[in-house]
Amino acid sequence: GIQVEQSPPDLILQEGANSTLRCNFSDSVNNLQWFHQNPWGQLINLFYIPSGTKQNGRLSATTVATERYSLLYISSSQTTDSGVYFCAVETSGSRLTFGEGTQLTVNP
Amino acid sequence: SQTIHQWPATLVQPVGSPLSLECTVEGTSNPNLYWYRQAAGRGLQLLFYSVGIGQISSEVPQNLSASRPQDRQFILSSKKLLLSDSGFYLCAWSIRPNQPQHFGDGTRLSIL
Repeated sequence: GIQVEQSPPDLILQEGANSTLRCNFSDSVNNLQWFHQNPWGQLINLFYIPSGTKQNGRLSATTVATERYSLLYISSSQTTDSGVYFCAVETSGSRLTFGEGTQLTVNP
Repeated sequence: SQTIHQWPATLVQPVGSPLSLECTVEGTSNPNLYWYRQAAGRGLQLLFYSVGIGQISSEVPQNLSASRPQDRQFILSSKKLLLSDSGFYLCAWSIRPNQPQHFGDGTRLSIL
């Protein structure tokens, strides 16, 4: 099956810093989503981005489908950005395959 | 707008007891429905998905089963829980394949 690798596995930032999270995948995809899992376990949809670039406030994402990677940018980070960020991809139309996530900690 | 509900939020069960977790979706019809499990706080694994009433596909052989008795209702069950069934269970829906999946708040299941 498809492999999804996220980097870095852990990231510690000071409030106000910028960061880039990466997701590499091993095959072509029909769906790619970025999620934020908050400390209560809720999975929040950030982006649906099988290709191209999208922005939502301080967050933006870019997927280069031909090179099989996606990037999530967080600017001016806040303590509320802490949590685990997951990349997930769909190939056959039946399942999302998740990466292992990036644990982000933003310190005040 | 569409919403997804899961309950209970937390459950503690003894080994060997039965299980029933329920998920319902509002505001859409004939959604694709999914059950995922997350262990150790990282990475979700698909357990079951359904494209319609009575249609269930299993991704991982296990002690669990799923049913879809109504269009917007998805149930995860077990006849006898094992210690290894502990984890965080999340239900999700999408309009159709390859469209965004939206997740419920999850159920934390602890087996004693």
